[in-house]
Amino acid sequence: EAEVAQSPRYKITEKSQAVAFWCDPISGHATLYWYRQILGQGPELLVQFQDESVVDDSQLPKDRFSAERLKGVDSTLKIQPAELGDSAMYLCASSLRAARTQETQYFGPGTRLLVL
Amino acid sequence: GEDVEQSLFLSVREGDSSVINCTYTDSSSTYLYWYKQEPGAGLQLLTYIFSNMDMKQDQRLTVLLNKKDKHLSLRIADTQTGDSAIYFCAERGSSNTGKLIFGQGTTLQVKP
Repeated sequence: EAEVAQSPRYKITEKSQAVAFWCDPISGHATLYWYRQILGQGPELLVQFQDESVVDDSQLPKDRFSAERLKGVDSTLKIQPAELGDSAMYLCASSLRAARTQETQYFGPGTRLLVL
Repeated sequence: GEDVEQSLFLSVREGDSSVINCTYTDSSSTYLYWYKQEPGAGLQLLTYIFSNMDMKQDQRLTVLLNKKDKHLSLRIADTQTGDSAIYFCAERGSSNTGKLIFGQGTTLQVKP
């Protein structure tokens, strides 16, 4: 069964350092989402790609976060510099396409980030 | 704005039914979802319901939607210890981006 892959699964870093997370969506899925899940809360969308284009990054802290999906397949989310409040689970999801009809989002296992 | 609320915790005995509730604010929501998250894992889609339906059944799962009250519930029949997890309600709004708005999750504890 096809799955969304993420790496690393766990990351510990010190504040002010740079971190990067990688996501490989299910093959053929045009839409890719990055969510942040703070402990005890539900996931919150950070950025959404349709192919290689950003369609929603309204909740992405652009002073320190960046995301790219250069060839419209895999994606990287970067934080520079990391802050203590960035400690969270970062979830990647993909769907065939984002349209008005129902499209299931399939989630990866997540990357748990701890900033010390 | 869009908001989804859930109760935080539910404890049941194995074999009983569990009912997890959710309220949402966006009356233009098109689809509503239930996801399950086990410790340290990603989210697994359990089921979803289109906003023009009031009930959907899938094996042990029954989803009820009261659109007038903007209330969604998930009933799990014959709850098992393997059902212990966090359950998230999510709504898909009217925008065509597919963005999901999640509740804060309900922790279901199943006692043997």
